Amino acid sequence: ETGVTQTPRHLVMGMTNKKSLKCEQHLGHNAMYWYKQSAKKPLELMFVYNFKEQTENNSVPSRFSPECPNSSHLFLHLHTLQPEDSALYLCASTQGHTEAFFGQGTRLTVV
Amino acid sequence: AQSVTQLDSQVPVFEEAPVELRCNYSSSVSVYLFWYVQYPNQGLQLLLKYLSGSTLVESINGFEAEFNKSQTSFHLRKPSVHISDTAEYFCAVSPWNSGNTPLVFGKGTRLSVIA
Repeated sequence: ETGVTQTPRHLVMGMTNKKSLKCEQHLGHNAMYWYKQSAKKPLELMFVYNFKEQTENNSVPSRFSPECPNSSHLFLHLHTLQPEDSALYLCASTQGHTEAFFGQGTRLTVV
Repeated sequence: AQSVTQLDSQVPVFEEAPVELRCNYSSSVSVYLFWYVQYPNQGLQLLLKYLSGSTLVESINGFEAEFNKSQTSFHLRKPSVHISDTAEYFCAVSPWNSGNTPLVFGKGTRLSVIA
């Protein structure tokens, strides 16, 4: 139990589907992050939210749409994805400059 | 800006042998340093961290890392590995006193322990 919960753990979706990934933290942190981890590639930071405001978007395609309704919840809305978007999507949270706490990830497969 | 280099992408080692996973960083400011471990299809778990004080830090499962400022390194060591240590290990840095700045990660080192 890391304090950061991601749902679902596994997701298979077609290229025309719309789905959402959810992340929830009960650590009282005020920053949340989405990372993408593909096979044989480094961890890629996608989005950063500080106090519910998006402060970083690392050139992520618009088919990925983040939402942060409050400092405890973070969503990643997915639509018209491509097979190369198949990956492990990780959510993390931090408070200040200390370590990041990660969720277990969502294994996404686009067919 | 900061960067992290993990020199070895894969490290095979026999069970009960010692291991060292190397990590070097680059930064114009002081940093905090972290090692994370990731088991298959899991998230990243904090293994140990250096924030200040003693430059040698230890984890509960026998790993240790030493911060070397002059060599800008934070190598991870274990004197005797177990099969269960097979995983991917990530080194990360955070600028000192930076507030909510994302950690900068290395590319990871896959440790394979052979029976």
